Amino acid sequence: AQSVTQLDSQVPVFEEAPVELRCNYSSSVSVYLFWYVQYPNQGLQLLLKYLSGSTLVESINGFEAEFNKSQTSFHLRKPSVHISDTAEYFCAVSASGTYKYIFGTGTRLKVLA
Amino acid sequence: DAGVTQSPTHLIKTRGQQVTLRCSPKSGHDTVSWYQQALGQGPQFIFQYYEEEERQRGNFPDRFSGHQFPNYSSELNVNALLLGDSALYLCASSLISGGVTGELFFGEGSRLTVL
Repeated sequence: AQSVTQLDSQVPVFEEAPVELRCNYSSSVSVYLFWYVQYPNQGLQLLLKYLSGSTLVESINGFEAEFNKSQTSFHLRKPSVHISDTAEYFCAVSASGTYKYIFGTGTRLKVLA
Repeated sequence: DAGVTQSPTHLIKTRGQQVTLRCSPKSGHDTVSWYQQALGQGPQFIFQYYEEEERQRGNFPDRFSGHQFPNYSSELNVNALLLGDSALYLCASSLISGGVTGELFFGEGSRLTVL
């Protein structure tokens, strides 16, 4: 079975500061990894994904995540956050051979002016 | 191109009642998954439908059932509602490729309140 742990339930950070949202997973088989963002009263939107290949993946709005197999982590980072990045961020894993995504409990990022 | 659409957006039911939620997938997608998101939690997988059949199911009781129609749209039915069924129900569509569920595209959800 797979599981996902998001270590921080809330992360406050000042505008233009860097941020890291942590995600660790466990799985006995190979996995695909995802970060989704959820703005208030909206559904989830894919931010970035790791399927294979380069372990560093980037989104169009400046976020990046690095797949670390030895540490079973997929932390999300952004060097300089904006007020508009305030949202809930979910890490998810999908194991090879299954069709379901396992989501973490989410990290609420609050960007302060 | 319309994305994933869900209806209704909000509904209130009482314990013991039954509810049906509807989902139209993104154009070109053939697979629909349903997730339950309780307040303050991440989405939990209920089941996935592909080719009008339930392909995989999460840890939800038989009170939760679904259907996929030939046009790929889907319904989620919940019988004998309990207070604990209050949640945001998310539909996600995707395209199966090489036997792998592709990227999930989510609708905005149906918020169910059970009184």
